[in-house]
Amino acid sequence: YELTQPPSVSVSPGQTATITCSGDGLPQQYAHWYMQKPGQAPVLVMYKDSERPSGIPVRFSGSSSGTSVTLTITGAQAEDEADYFCQSPDNTGSYLVFGGGTKLTVL
Amino acid sequence: QVRLQESGPGLVKPSQTLSLTCSVSGDSIGIGDYYWSWIRQTPGTGPEWIGYIYKSGTTYYNPSLKSRVTISLDTSRNQFSLNLSAVTAADTATYYCARVHPYTTDNFPGGWFDPWGQGTLVTVSS
Repeated sequence: YELTQPPSVSVSPGQTATITCSGDGLPQQYAHWYMQKPGQAPVLVMYKDSERPSGIPVRFSGSSSGTSVTLTITGAQAEDEADYFCQSPDNTGSYLVFGGGTKLTVL
Repeated sequence: QVRLQESGPGLVKPSQTLSLTCSVSGDSIGIGDYYWSWIRQTPGTGPEWIGYIYKSGTTYYNPSLKSRVTISLDTSRNQFSLNLSAVTAADTATYYCARVHPYTTDNFPGGWFDPWGQGTLVTVSS
């Protein structure tokens, strides 16, 4: 089972960045998103498709539609430059899977 | 504030067993409805879920690793551990421990990871 993400997304500062994650099981399963900067551990930025953890800026939002989920950063800032990974159970709901990651460049 | 810290050897020989421990502070692994998990990651790839354990000792493992993995917990020390047997160079990775917020404590709990430890690099080489 795979979660598919685009390898890279590039935006200018202040623009909206959208990162997608596709998987056959996503209509039935929640997805979660993590941000990882070089040399650091991943940090949760969205859970249960669209719930934002405390301390995560409001410019981060999430949505779900069919076999895809989307992480949106409205007004991306240089500090948002990082790798982003989605995560969800497989389509049988028996183990956990991560996407391959999307490198977000803000310049 | 919950903190997790991995510890263990940074170098393991092929065919031997990789053993890591995660020390938890700010939360008690024997109380509450969290799972406690191990995840690994190689450079340039997405993380790979290894497995997790509940306070009752119930475990769930990634099917791809299940035959070689054991996760256990020591509530008296507030630690949980990973043993991965018969390692090869393909097991070289940064290993993370994390707390899991489950959807349910019945059947497969799913869930999301928060927070993570800082990670520890383990190299398999002779």
